[in-house]
Amino acid sequence: AQSVTQLDSQVPVFEEAPVELRCNYSSSVSVYLFWYVQYPNQGLQLLLKYLSGSTLVKGINGFEAEFNKSQTSFHLRKPSVHISDTAEYFCAVSPGGSTLGRLYFGRGTQLTVWP
Amino acid sequence: ETGVTQSPTHLIKTRGQQVTLRCSSQSGHNTVSWYQQALGQGPQFIFQYYREEENGRGNFPPRFSGLQFPNYSSELNVNALELDDSALYLCASSLAAVNTEAFFGQGTRLTVV
Repeated sequence: AQSVTQLDSQVPVFEEAPVELRCNYSSSVSVYLFWYVQYPNQGLQLLLKYLSGSTLVKGINGFEAEFNKSQTSFHLRKPSVHISDTAEYFCAVSPGGSTLGRLYFGRGTQLTVWP
Repeated sequence: ETGVTQSPTHLIKTRGQQVTLRCSSQSGHNTVSWYQQALGQGPQFIFQYYREEENGRGNFPPRFSGLQFPNYSSELNVNALELDDSALYLCASSLAAVNTEAFFGQGTRLTVV
């Protein structure tokens, strides 16, 4: 079984400050890892994904994440946030194989960027 | 813009009624997954359809059912609606191949009163 824990439900930060949103997962099999962003009253948009290869993954809007297998973590980072980054962020895992496309999400982290 | 469209965008139903939600997948995609997102929660996997067959199901009762059509569009049906069914229902389409991502629609907001 797969599960995802997002350790912070809310993260407030000032504009231009760095931010890290934490994600830990548990799985008995190899997984693919994703970060999605959700703006109010909208669907989910993919920020970045880890499938294999380099453990440092770069995504859209200046975000990046690092896969750490020993710590079963996939934390999301941005060196300098903007007000427009205010949104809900979801970490997700997919077991892959025949179940590719099946995603298991964390509860989300609300990032609020203040001027 | 993902190319995945859902209808309707909002819906209000009475407890005990039945509802059908629709999803048009992105061109070229043959797999559709449905998710339920309750307020303040992450999306929960309901089920997935691949080439018109159910290909996996999450922890949802049988009154949640679905269909996928030859053009790969899909429907989610919920019978005997309960108040707890109030949620945002998200559809995601993907191509059943290695290393493909899922593209989400805007969702249907269902309110059960």
